[in-house]
Amino acid sequence: DGGITQSPKYLFRKEGQNVTLSCEQNLNHDAMYWYRQDPGQGLRLIYYSQIVNDFQKGDIAEGYSVSREKKESFPLTVTSAQKNPTAFYLCASSIGGGSLSEAFFGQGTRLTVV
Amino acid sequence: AQSVTQLGSHVSVSEGALVLLRCNYSSSVPPYLFWYVQYPNQGLQLLLKYTTGATLVKGINGFEAEFKKSETSFHLTKPSAHMSDAAEYFCAVTSTSGTYKYIFGTGTRLKVLA
Repeated sequence: DGGITQSPKYLFRKEGQNVTLSCEQNLNHDAMYWYRQDPGQGLRLIYYSQIVNDFQKGDIAEGYSVSREKKESFPLTVTSAQKNPTAFYLCASSIGGGSLSEAFFGQGTRLTVV
Repeated sequence: AQSVTQLGSHVSVSEGALVLLRCNYSSSVPPYLFWYVQYPNQGLQLLLKYTTGATLVKGINGFEAEFKKSETSFHLTKPSAHMSDAAEYFCAVTSTSGTYKYIFGTGTRLKVLA
């Protein structure tokens, strides 16, 4: 079945450590997105990529980094510079390429920093 | 800049009653509008979308929404609430402005009372 896979579902890290969240899609979508979700704040865009080897900062990119070396993969690194990293992280993809359609979401990764 | 406002962070209805979740958007270009549903600790699932054409859009699980350009609204309705409708609902907007980002509202948590 086609879809988006995020792993792991739950992740615990110590403060000061970098951590990488995985996002893989087999939908052949060009565009991919990372959102952060906090209670009462909805989804806030961290980074997005419209095509391989290119990505842009979203509204809250500070303390995060991404790469897009393959069409199927868009990993997110939460660095030690992110002041409040504990949150629910959602990866999404869409057809892209100028074709507007809905975004498809993964099941999310809940990151807890202790 | 595009934005989405969802009025009411929490809405309670009785089982069998009308569900009305409000969404207003701001966009300088024709918008594409979406409603998503999220169950606890899961990703977002598309309920329905408006792109062009008919302004009354029907979605899954008996939900529908009407695009009203003059009111910049895209409210979500369901004639009769079911216990299984209890979840968080997000309205989102994107457009042909070139960035192809999806902007989400802060969400409305729907509670269905027996």
